[in-house]
Amino acid sequence: RKEVEQDPGPFNVPEGATVAFNCTYSNSASQSFFWYRQDCRKEPKLLMSVYSSGNEDGRFTAQLNRASQYISLLIRDSKLSDSATYLCVVGYTGRRALTFGSGTRLQVQP
Amino acid sequence: GAVVSQHPSRVICKSGTSVKIECRSLDFQATTMFWYRQFPKQSLMLMATSNEGSKATYEQGVEKDKFLINHASLTLSTLTVTSAHPEDSSFYICSARETGLAGVSDTQYFGPGTRLTVL
Repeated sequence: RKEVEQDPGPFNVPEGATVAFNCTYSNSASQSFFWYRQDCRKEPKLLMSVYSSGNEDGRFTAQLNRASQYISLLIRDSKLSDSATYLCVVGYTGRRALTFGSGTRLQVQP
Repeated sequence: GAVVSQHPSRVICKSGTSVKIECRSLDFQATTMFWYRQFPKQSLMLMATSNEGSKATYEQGVEKDKFLINHASLTLSTLTVTSAHPEDSSFYICSARETGLAGVSDTQYFGPGTRLTVL
């Protein structure tokens, strides 16, 4: 079983739609959580950190459920520019590197 | 935010040659840098953790004699792919943590990646 699992998609949605991604992680010692965005043939870029209380940044809302070990990302009012692969990323106690999910591909269509 | 550069951005080489990739933190010091590899439509896989002034820590299954890592200063880590073969063709990405940040793992700043094609 992968340490971080995501639905690979693709999610094809029209502009203006609301879309949600989920991610599950297997290690209960996980301590830090992030969503990264990766455009085709580019490096990942931090979209937002995920906090236990949930957090929002503009059209993006991230939530963490430690009991169920899943993380979610909600994108409201999708834009064409949101088309990318969204990576769920987890940090673990005693390990300085991050563990990446394989990503969920989003394609926003006009 | 912090900036990490990688050089070269793209390299095409013949099988059997060695390729060196540089990763630099431009506006901060990084005692720890990470090297990842990403194959098409797959996730980033950690290859090794590069520690300034000491030996790199390699992940299971990554050959340390094939992927040589040197972290000679607080702003530079290099990855050398020795005797490259077509199966080494991949997207290599480095990342860096800023020195002095506490915590297990923190926001990492990624370089733009190096696309290696071995013919």
